[in-house]
Amino acid sequence: GAVVSQHPSWVICKSGTSVKIECRSLDFQATTMFWYRQFPKQSLMLMATSNEGSKATYEQGVEKDKFLINHASLTLSTLTVTSAHPEDSSFYICSARVRGDNEQFFGPGTRLTVL
Amino acid sequence: QKEVEQDPGPLSVPEGAIVSLNCTYSNSAFQYFMWYRQYSRKGPELLMYTYSSGNKEDGRFTAQVDKSSKYISLFIRDSQPSDSATYLCAISTSGTYKYIFGTGTRLKVLA
Repeated sequence: GAVVSQHPSWVICKSGTSVKIECRSLDFQATTMFWYRQFPKQSLMLMATSNEGSKATYEQGVEKDKFLINHASLTLSTLTVTSAHPEDSSFYICSARVRGDNEQFFGPGTRLTVL
Repeated sequence: QKEVEQDPGPLSVPEGAIVSLNCTYSNSAFQYFMWYRQYSRKGPELLMYTYSSGNKEDGRFTAQVDKSSKYISLFIRDSQPSDSATYLCAISTSGTYKYIFGTGTRLKVLA
């Protein structure tokens, strides 16, 4: 149980294009989903927190207009990187939690490369 | 001062050794303490999830939390080459449910 999937697992795009990453909780309903970014040999940095049906809360320094988050249902959240640039190349990881529980379940990550 | 500090390593040990991984944190409000294992280009995998002070054991893994010292540890017994990975500590409080991760310690177990 408690499986989180991400799609795609990797993506390469040209600079200036937009990329959408999906995060799904497969066997549970996720009250909250989190999006992290991880640069090579660095730790996971929280980008934003999203609750189903409401606007995402972004961490300081994360551009909300660049990283669009939609949490339309209890099993799906999407992260869209708009007008991607090479510096946005990173490993993006989502996680999900259920109401009343602190534990987060992590997805396998999506590797984004912007050329 | 960072909220959580972790030695990045790398740490190399021979197969069968006991491995000790540690993190310190600055805010006594943190209540939840987690250890994750992450293989290269993969998502983090939960190893231990603890609440408050004390020890928790699961197979070859033991997690220790000392809230008075703001210090958490993960011990790996009988380490195997397959344990070679990056180990991340994470801390959290109730209410925000946000996790703060350490930088991760790269471990290499030599056969």
